[in-house]
Amino acid sequence: QKEVEQNSGPLSVPEGAIASLNCTYSDRGSQSFFWYRQYSGKSPELIMSIYSNGDKEDGRFTAQLNKASQYVSLLIRDSQPSDSATYLCLRGKQGGSEKLVFGKGTKLTVNP
Amino acid sequence: EAQVTQNPRYLITVTGKKLTVTCSQNMNHEYMSWYRQDPGLGLRQIYYSMNVEVTDKGDVPEGYKVSRKEKRNFPLILESPSPNQTSLYFCASSSPAGLSYNEQFFGPGTRLTVL
Repeated sequence: QKEVEQNSGPLSVPEGAIASLNCTYSDRGSQSFFWYRQYSGKSPELIMSIYSNGDKEDGRFTAQLNKASQYVSLLIRDSQPSDSATYLCLRGKQGGSEKLVFGKGTKLTVNP
Repeated sequence: EAQVTQNPRYLITVTGKKLTVTCSQNMNHEYMSWYRQDPGLGLRQIYYSMNVEVTDKGDVPEGYKVSRKEKRNFPLILESPSPNQTSLYFCASSSPAGLSYNEQFFGPGTRLTVL
């Protein structure tokens, strides 16, 4: 099993809808997760970080972490065409390892 | 302005010709990292550095070298590039302040083509 898995998509939603992006991880010891957005040809930029079970909200974005089920998700409410990008899930350092692991990313398209 | 810079931004080279991609950050970050990004494979960590003179392998270190002689700089060295190292490379840095350690700042990327 890969350390961090994401549905590569593409995911297509209409403008104004809720986009749901999911990420699963294999190591129960993982403590921190991050969602990055990457526009085509650009660098990844941080959207959200989450460390505790439950939901964390920031504007139109909500990150959810469920350590028992080993998944983390990102919800984008009122999706806009400008949200069209690839979304990357990052598992932070864990245990004695400082290595960082990204999922392969999910490409989201928001249709006007 | 807080930033991570990479040079060059674009490079076309030939197999076997040694090259170095530079990375520099002005945020006094301890942690620095190199990634390569390939279609369908996502971002994969090549090497990372916890601080000056402390480096370790990521998931795909074969064919690459790094050094960390100064806190701000973390160059990526390809001693004998091969076509399978054609990729988009990103440098990133972060400061290990608890769990926020991994909120990384990325450079603009270097697109490398090895013929």
